[in-house]
Amino acid sequence: SAVISQKPSRDICQRGTSLTIQCQVDSQVTMMFWYRQQPGQSLTLIATANQGSEATYESGFVIDKFPISRPNLTFSTLTVSNMSPEDSSIYLCSGGQGADIQYFGAGTRLSVL
Amino acid sequence: SQELEQSPQSLIVQEGKNLTINCTSSKTLYGLYWYKQKYGEGLIFLMMLQKGGEEKSHEKITAKLDEKKQQSSLHITASQPSHAGIYLCGADTRSNTGKLIFGQGTTLQVKP
Repeated sequence: SAVISQKPSRDICQRGTSLTIQCQVDSQVTMMFWYRQQPGQSLTLIATANQGSEATYESGFVIDKFPISRPNLTFSTLTVSNMSPEDSSIYLCSGGQGADIQYFGAGTRLSVL
Repeated sequence: SQELEQSPQSLIVQEGKNLTINCTSSKTLYGLYWYKQKYGEGLIFLMMLQKGGEEKSHEKITAKLDEKKQQSSLHITASQPSHAGIYLCGADTRSNTGKLIFGQGTTLQVKP
């Protein structure tokens, strides 16, 4: 199994600012993903964080808005840029070995004023 | 329409009763995951199913994947207040990529 830690656990931000969320895995994983859970909704995949290369984004998500880094096999960051109230969501990262079990962090609860 | 339909949306049961949550897809499921979500704890992994007809159990929770690999059920026997939470099914529909789509979730309340 993998234990995934996310920081911060929650934040309240002003419109127009950016927030970087960190995701640390306690063991090396081949796959890391970022998801968004909007209020009252289920999880939606934002992107695949690729180690050493640009992230792969799902339809509706772009790099300028959600830049992602993954410098190694245990760490990734997601930045939510130029935030608006519509970005208020829970952001979760997940990790696993290939298509094996995907473990999730506790999430970052973001509120944008 | 939702790619992964989960039902029911909410469930209130008396402690000790059995219950079933269903998850249905129009696409073949290469992997079907069940998670439980509690406030501030993210998603807690329960079970993963990959083979048609597969069934797994852990404590009082049993999950099944049908032969066609398009429908799964999660069954809780003799429910307890500790089972309360939001149950989410997640599915890999893109041939073992690890990328998951999720159902809308089932909110379970267990009355003592």
